[in-house]
Amino acid sequence: AQSVTQLDSHVSVSEGTPVLLRCNYSSSYSPSLFWYVQHPNKGLQLLLKYTSAATLVKGINGFEAEFKKSETSFHLTKPSAHMSDAAEYFCVVRPYSNDYKLSFGAGTTVTVRA
Amino acid sequence: DVKVTQSSRYLVKRTGEKVFLECVQDMDHENMFWYRQDPGLGLRLIYFSYDVKMKEKGDIPEGYSVSREKKERFSLILESASTNQTSMYLCASRVGQGTPSSYNSPLHFGNGTRLTVT
Repeated sequence: AQSVTQLDSHVSVSEGTPVLLRCNYSSSYSPSLFWYVQHPNKGLQLLLKYTSAATLVKGINGFEAEFKKSETSFHLTKPSAHMSDAAEYFCVVRPYSNDYKLSFGAGTTVTVRA
Repeated sequence: DVKVTQSSRYLVKRTGEKVFLECVQDMDHENMFWYRQDPGLGLRLIYFSYDVKMKEKGDIPEGYSVSREKKERFSLILESASTNQTSMYLCASRVGQGTPSSYNSPLHFGNGTRLTVT
């Protein structure tokens, strides 16, 4: 079975400082991994995805994530936070055995201080 | 741009009522999904449909049913609403996964319906 653990339920950063959102997964096979973002009163939007190509994945809005198989991690980073990054972020794993039953992490809420 | 439209942003219903949540997508996507979102639990899959008139149970189907009579529309039905179904409901769509180019294509979400059952 696949599962996703987001290690922080809430992260607070100052504008202009780095952001790190941590995600660990468990999967029997090499999974596909995604990060989605949800701004207030909106649906989720894809930030980036890992699908067994390059282990460092670049996404929209300056975010990137690194797949580390040995650590079963897929942490999301951004070098310099902007006020517009305040949102909830979800790490998602797509199981090898089922195309439809994606597993979502519990979410990390990011607050950006001016 | 793909647009997924959920008919209501907020709904308030009474216990025992039959509730319909509607979702329409405009990109001819084969796959459609209904999730509920609760704080600290992430998104949980209720039902999905991989094509017209096809439906499959997700992880938490109890108390829900769905209908997909047309490709663009996927309805979630609460047969007899209960207070534990108070939640945010999110609809999503995606291209069918039958070709290499479509594999791992992203989900496109609506803005959600916040349902309160009193």
